[in-house]
Amino acid sequence: DTGVSQNPRHKITKRGQNVTFRCDPISEHNRLYWYRQTLGQGPEFLTYFQNEAQLEKSRLLSDRFSAERPKGSFSTLEIQRTEQGDSAMYLCASSPELGPSGRTTYNEQFFGPGTRLTVL
Amino acid sequence: AQTVTQSQPEMSVQEAETVTLSCTYDTSESDYYLFWYKQPPSRQMILVIRQEAYKQQNATENRFSVNFQKAAKSFSLKISDSQLGDAAMYFCALDSNYQLIWGAGTKLIIKP
Repeated sequence: DTGVSQNPRHKITKRGQNVTFRCDPISEHNRLYWYRQTLGQGPEFLTYFQNEAQLEKSRLLSDRFSAERPKGSFSTLEIQRTEQGDSAMYLCASSPELGPSGRTTYNEQFFGPGTRLTVL
Repeated sequence: AQTVTQSQPEMSVQEAETVTLSCTYDTSESDYYLFWYKQPPSRQMILVIRQEAYKQQNATENRFSVNFQKAAKSFSLKISDSQLGDAAMYFCALDSNYQLIWGAGTKLIIKP
């Protein structure tokens, strides 16, 4: 399977615990994105990597959230001291730097299946 | 600020009929991309169709086509010959360089 993969698919944790999610992008994609999606809503941007560099972080990403992409391949998203409000689907997506037309602004993102987090 | 608005929380259509999902957006950019993504229940987000703002011609992909009205900042999706497998949440998204700006989605129900 050459698509975007995410692990685990489901995570149930108690409030105050730390959790870590992993995303493996499509191998030739150098852009990687994390989104959060709550029920009945569209995804909300969290952060974005180009290779190993984290280029942008949303204000939604509080100090309890940290994301890494150490070798420019897979990425991890860690949430410390989880709160019930963190319960959501966490989506990872990847895209090539250039779209098929060669335009740098082209940004077709390929999504993984998501990790559903439930904080009790 | 860039925004995307989908004003139809839910739409239903009879199988084999045609349905149109609405999307309006706001951006100050002159060159941008718009997307429709589909998210089936418990399945991942997949791209349905893409429109480049600099192209006047509306994009089509098999049974899916868009009506792109740049001046009105409108980007609707038409699904022809609706099939049961089209049942999903449909999201309109605006490309904002490094991220996508998303609408709240429209739940499409297909009646057999």
